[in-house]
Amino acid sequence: AQSVAQPEDQVNVAEGNPLTVKCTYSVSGNPYLFWYVQYPNRGLQFLLKYITGDNLVKGSYGFEAEFNKSQTSFHLKKPSALVSDSALYFCAVRESHYGNNRLAFGKGNQVVVIP
Amino acid sequence: KAGVTQTPRYLIKTRGQQVTLSCSPISGHRSVSWYQQTPGQGLQFLFEYFSETQRNKGNFPGRFSGRQFSNSRSEMNVSTLELGDSALYLCASSPGGGDHNEQFFGPGTRLTVL
Repeated sequence: AQSVAQPEDQVNVAEGNPLTVKCTYSVSGNPYLFWYVQYPNRGLQFLLKYITGDNLVKGSYGFEAEFNKSQTSFHLKKPSALVSDSALYFCAVRESHYGNNRLAFGKGNQVVVIP
Repeated sequence: KAGVTQTPRYLIKTRGQQVTLSCSPISGHRSVSWYQQTPGQGLQFLFEYFSETQRNKGNFPGRFSGRQFSNSRSEMNVSTLELGDSALYLCASSPGGGDHNEQFFGPGTRLTVL
């Protein structure tokens, strides 16, 4: 079974400050990890993914995430938040075996960037 | 390339009716997955189709079904609608299943059951 936990419902951060959105996961094998962002009345937009290799992955719009296998975490970070980053963020995981295209999502974190 | 498209964008139905939602994947993508998004349950996986075959299925009742055509377009059907089926239904496509590619999501169909 695969699952994701996003412990915080809402993350408030002042514009220009660092932004962190936390994610921990559970899979029985090796994980493929993803972050998506959702704006109101829109679908999900892909931000970044971890498949293998370097634990620090860089994605769209200045976001990055660090894979930590021992802590089973994949926290999303941005050095300097913008008001336009205010949105709903989802972490997702799937097990890395052929034929499994089923994503398990966390409940999502509402990020509010305060001007 | 055009993105994933879903039609219709909004639907209003009454209990007991049935509904069909449509999804056109990105050109060349052969895998289409469906997800249900509700405030209470979040994003839940419904099923995935790959090369016209259902390859993965989530924990939804048999009222939820789908199919995929030879051009990779997919439809999902919900019969005997219940109030709890009100949700945003998202379709996602990827080049193939089981690889490391991310899924690309459409804008969703907002279904309201009265």
